Amino acid sequence: GDSVTQMEGPVTLSEEAFLTINCTYTATGYPSLFWYVQYPGEGLQLLLKATKADDKGSNKGFEATYRKETTSFHLEKGSVQVSDSAVYFCALSPFKGQGAQKLVFGQGTRLTINP
Amino acid sequence: GAVVSQHPSWVICKSGTSVKIECRSLDFQATTMFWYRQFPKQSLMLMATSNEGSKATYEQGVEKDKFLINHASLTLSTLTVTSAHPEDSSFYICSARGAYEQYFGPGTRLTVT
Repeated sequence: GDSVTQMEGPVTLSEEAFLTINCTYTATGYPSLFWYVQYPGEGLQLLLKATKADDKGSNKGFEATYRKETTSFHLEKGSVQVSDSAVYFCALSPFKGQGAQKLVFGQGTRLTINP
Repeated sequence: GAVVSQHPSWVICKSGTSVKIECRSLDFQATTMFWYRQFPKQSLMLMATSNEGSKATYEQGVEKDKFLINHASLTLSTLTVTSAHPEDSSFYICSARGAYEQYFGPGTRLTVT
């Protein structure tokens, strides 16, 4: 079945460091890919998405490119801030373009940024 | 953005009792809501899809008689854990389906003693 694997945390970085959180997936067909962020005490929020191969999703300085050849959707940010401390989830929807449908999640990566 | 609430945020109950968790979409109507379960350091696992006015659709391996889902209105879905046991202790998260994405509640921590 469909699955998502993301790098284990926790990840601890200093402010202004470069961030990469790896995510790979297994799916049949042409899934849509997502990154969600969960700040302490809050629900998951959609951070960015890509619905087809070679699409790049971006938001708040974060980027991720849908790589079909490597089945990957790695999250990157050039200069992290303390406010980026949160848990990040990679996810896929088996239905192309349908983020409102069933989602399959990775295990989450806890990110802590120190000032 | 759209807001989804859950109540309670945490609950402790005794083994054998039942617990109800509410999920509400506060500023939009949701014909579909989803219930997820999250174990420590593990991903969210979809338990069931809740459709307003009809029976929920459960994922394989989820006991529908144990996890009762009712979606009685366009803004409210409830999950009842019946005859709870310690192995049911977990973090339960709901989401409400919007036009293009799901909006997630903050989760409910259930501890069964």
